[in-house]
Amino acid sequence: DTAVSQTPKYLVTQMGNDKSIKCEQNLGHDTMYWYKQDSKKFLKIMFSYNNKELIINETVPNRFSPKSPDKAHLNLHINSLELGDSAVYFCASSQDYRGSQYFGPGTRLLVL
Amino acid sequence: AQSVTQPDIHITVSEGASLELRCNYSYGATPYLFWYVQSPGQGLQLLLKYFSGDTLVQGIKGFEAEFKRSQSSFNLRKPSVHWSDAAEYFCAESSGTYKYIFGTGTRLKVLA
Repeated sequence: DTAVSQTPKYLVTQMGNDKSIKCEQNLGHDTMYWYKQDSKKFLKIMFSYNNKELIINETVPNRFSPKSPDKAHLNLHINSLELGDSAVYFCASSQDYRGSQYFGPGTRLLVL
Repeated sequence: AQSVTQPDIHITVSEGASLELRCNYSYGATPYLFWYVQSPGQGLQLLLKYFSGDTLVQGIKGFEAEFKRSQSSFNLRKPSVHWSDAAEYFCAESSGTYKYIFGTGTRLKVLA
């Protein structure tokens, strides 16, 4: 059973396009996150959601819009993709603000 | 601002040798501390965590870490490294605000 799953695994698209990444967790956790990992492996938090409510928005451009339809899902929509958006995006979940995070396998986004 | 420092970008050890990966955190109060491992092309997997109590924590795959408040450190150790331990290792902290800060990672190479 996959604890945290993401789709798609790979995403290659042109600049200016809009794309979405989906995330689902079956761990019963209350908190979900989106991270961006750049080419140097630096991992930076983008958003935190707790019980479908946005808790953390780390100065992410408003082209990025997360949506949490329920506690088990956190999707990420990106408008007007730019070259600098190329990265690996990880979804994660935890029981609460101090719990261990469980990461999805990542979505490798390449913007051409 | 909170920060997590991993001073070593790369570390190379021989198989069977001992390992210590360094991590320093900046949060003044007692942080929640974590070590994660990332194999190539994979998501992050939790190795161990420290919340409170015994300052020496045991994790999976034979890893342990020691919390030292006086040095603001949470170093990861393993007595005997296996070739399969080659990966990227991340130290992270949470101050209890749904925001996790990750270090820049240490890439471990294991020589046969």
